Amino acid sequence: QVHLQQSGPGLVKPSQTLSLTCAITGDSVSSNTAAWNWIRQSPSGGLECLGRTYYRSKWYYDYAISVKGRITISPDTSKNQFTLHLNSVTPEDTAVYYCARDQPPYFFDSWGQGTLVTVSS
Amino acid sequence: QSVLTQSPSASGTPGQRVTMSCSGSSSNIGNNYVYWYQQFPGTAPKLLIYRNNQRPSGVPDRFSGSKSGTSASLAISGLRSEDEADYYCAAWDDSLSGGVFGGGTKLTVL
Repeated sequence: QVHLQQSGPGLVKPSQTLSLTCAITGDSVSSNTAAWNWIRQSPSGGLECLGRTYYRSKWYYDYAISVKGRITISPDTSKNQFTLHLNSVTPEDTAVYYCARDQPPYFFDSWGQGTLVTVSS
Repeated sequence: QSVLTQSPSASGTPGQRVTMSCSGSSSNIGNNYVYWYQQFPGTAPKLLIYRNNQRPSGVPDRFSGSKSGTSASLAISGLRSEDEADYYCAAWDDSLSGGVFGGGTKLTVL
């Protein structure tokens, strides 16, 4: 049974960097079949895929066009976790952020508990 | 503005059958599998249907999914009060090279 545990601050100032970590138990960030995602949910309820990382003999990274240039997702094999960095945040980045596993055939079958991140001075 | 289009609300009475739709395009639903998620307030979405019409272990057979062309549907039969939740569809989008979601349908059990 996979469990994803998120950690990180709930308040970030405008122009600063949002950083959230997702610790994995029951699977490996280096899995050859899974991909590790960050998804956010706006206050209005819409879900948006921000990006993912996955390992297939080497590391791959895919980022949404909407946040490209501001986002980095970093795997940490020693701690079996992955981290989201989103820089130059604005109030429009205020959302609940989720980490999630994409494991074929299920797509997003395991989710973290969610972290409400508010961007405010 | 979500890539996939869902009606914002649906409703039914206990025991009824309700359906909700999800509309997309050839770059997402038309060429890829559709997935459905159920979300209760304050919790993470839960996978309800995968690969158009498959149920993960533990999901009651009251829930069923279908797909035709660039649209998909989720049906709930024998509606129960505990089915009151938000429902989201999702698919891979070849043009965006990423997952995309619908805006969600809020189901009310009257």
